[in-house]
Amino acid sequence: ETGVTQSPTHLIKTRGQQVTLRCSSQSGHNTVSWYQQALGQGPQFIFQYYREEENGRGNFPPRFSGLQFPNYSSELNVNALELDDSALYLCASSGQPANTGELFFGEGSRLTVL
Amino acid sequence: AQSVTQLGSHVSVSEGALVLLRCNYSSSVPPYLFWYVQYPNQGLQLLLKYTTGATLVKGINGFEAEFKKSETSFHLTKPSAHMSDAAEYFCAVSEVAAGNKLTFGGGTRVLVKP
Repeated sequence: ETGVTQSPTHLIKTRGQQVTLRCSSQSGHNTVSWYQQALGQGPQFIFQYYREEENGRGNFPPRFSGLQFPNYSSELNVNALELDDSALYLCASSGQPANTGELFFGEGSRLTVL
Repeated sequence: AQSVTQLGSHVSVSEGALVLLRCNYSSSVPPYLFWYVQYPNQGLQLLLKYTTGATLVKGINGFEAEFKKSETSFHLTKPSAHMSDAAEYFCAVSEVAAGNKLTFGGGTRVLVKP
């Protein structure tokens, strides 16, 4: 059973650019959630995808968007990057949106915006 | 809206001493409560969770937590700290029917002294 994998692990962008982060969910999981973890803070919920549809969104602007594919993998896209977007982006998968809370996290993609 | 407060961003304990990490939550409905651990350069791993039933919950690596509704608390304890417990710990809350969307506290970094 493979765990949650994310790519790239590290990347550097400049203000105004766009970035795409990728996530492969754990085998058998059909729900993917994305979280932003700024330095020294707890993760913040960005959005969740279930069966290729957005299933809830946190307090993030529309320039944060996502996709989920038929194989349940997912992408997070951020347009018009700002300095404050520098953070660790965590992907988490689970078997269903039901509220068991057991999320399986990847190791994250660390984004630095200069 | 739900929220989580973790008292103390840093805790230092001696090896073999009690580990106590404090977590208070705010939720308008019965919550599900979680503790996650994050080791350096890794994603988050579930330590334990409370959903319903017994209020004293045992998790991995000898950790346990007690749900106290009257105090809106979910403090994490371990009787005897080990060097391998050095990590950052996050308390999180999810409301029933919120579908695995977690609200995290700011985290507590644990340092274990030999």
